[in-house]
Amino acid sequence: GNSVTQMEGPVTLSEEAFLTINCTYTATGYPSLFWYVQYPGEGLQLLLKATKADDKGSNKGFEATYRKETTSFHLEKGSVQVSDSAVYFCALTLNSGGYQKVTFGTGTKLQVIP
Amino acid sequence: DAGVTQSPTHLIKTRGQQVTLRCSPKSGHDTVSWYQQALGQGPQFIFQYYEEEERQRGNFPDRFSGHQFPNYSSELNVNALLLGDSALYLCASSLGGAREKLFFGSGTQLSVL
Repeated sequence: GNSVTQMEGPVTLSEEAFLTINCTYTATGYPSLFWYVQYPGEGLQLLLKATKADDKGSNKGFEATYRKETTSFHLEKGSVQVSDSAVYFCALTLNSGGYQKVTFGTGTKLQVIP
Repeated sequence: DAGVTQSPTHLIKTRGQQVTLRCSPKSGHDTVSWYQQALGQGPQFIFQYYEEEERQRGNFPDRFSGHQFPNYSSELNVNALLLGDSALYLCASSLGGAREKLFFGSGTQLSVL
């Protein structure tokens, strides 16, 4: 079956530090890959996505590259801010008969301290 | 433009009871998916509705059922509640059979005592 494995948290960083959150996946077929972010008390928001191998998704200073050879989609940011504190979910989707089903990882909590 | 709205925001039930959760999709969206998010876990796919029919289903028992109305809003029903059903239930909407990105609501926090 399809699955997503991401590094366990919580991850605590100082402001302006470099962030990496690892994500690897297992899928039959060719998935699209996503990072979602969940701020406290809110639903999930799409952060970035990549739909094919070697694509790079980027948004708000975050980046992730779809690596088919290593089945990975690691999230990076060069300089984190306190406002980036949230839970980050790696996810994949495979269209099944045209209908999308998203498989999520367990989430990584990021805490950025001033 | 209203996003995805869910009601109620919080709910407390006892074992064996039944519960109904409601979702209104983002304006213009016709597809609704439901997810269960246990504490400290990622969301788990329950099912997806499009054109008032269940199109896909995850690994959830028949106690979990749903409905989509002509105005695209949706309900999630859970019968014979178990303690393990305590979770945040998220609704997500999209357009056109969910080929486009999902927009999530803030969820309904269900506690089963």
